[in-house]
Amino acid sequence: RKEVEQDPGPFNVPEGATVAFNCTYSNSASQSFFWYRQDCRKEPKLLMSVYSSGNEDGRFTAQLNRASQYISLLIRDSKLSDSATYLCVVNPEGSYQLTFGKGTKLSVIP
Amino acid sequence: GAVVSQHPSRVICKSGTSVKIECRSLDFQATTMFWYRQFPKKSLMLMATSNEGSKATYEQGVEKDKFLINHASLTLSTLTVTSAHPEDSSFYICSAAEPRGSYEQYFGPGTRLTVT
Repeated sequence: RKEVEQDPGPFNVPEGATVAFNCTYSNSASQSFFWYRQDCRKEPKLLMSVYSSGNEDGRFTAQLNRASQYISLLIRDSKLSDSATYLCVVNPEGSYQLTFGKGTKLSVIP
Repeated sequence: GAVVSQHPSRVICKSGTSVKIECRSLDFQATTMFWYRQFPKKSLMLMATSNEGSKATYEQGVEKDKFLINHASLTLSTLTVTSAHPEDSSFYICSAAEPRGSYEQYFGPGTRLTVT
């Protein structure tokens, strides 16, 4: 089983749509969870950390289910500028080492 | 957020030559930096963990004699690809963790290496 699994997509959605990405992780000792965004031929950029209580940042909502080892990202009111690859990232307790999923590609269509 | 720079952003070299890539944390001190490689349409793969003042820790399958890492100061780590081959052509990205305990990492803009 891969350490971090994501649906690779692509997800092609119209502007204004709501889209959800899912991610599962295998290491139950994982303690920190993130969503990164990576544009084509660019470096990953931190989108948001994911907390057990769930957290929201504008149009973006992240959820964590530790029991199921499952992380989600919801994007509401999609914009053209949201088109990118979204990376699910975890790391174990007390470690800076990150484990990346392969990413889910999103294309928002006019 | 913290700023990490990388230089050069793009390099083309001939097979057999060596290439050095620099990674700098501009506004914080990073005791640990990471080097990743990403092939087209693939996920980032950790190559090595660079620790200031000590030897780097390499991931399985990464040749330490081919990918030389030096982390001589708290703001600079270098990766040297020695005797480069076309299969080393890739996107090399460094990252540094801001020492605030949140384990968030900030990435450099990456270096696109093409070996001809």
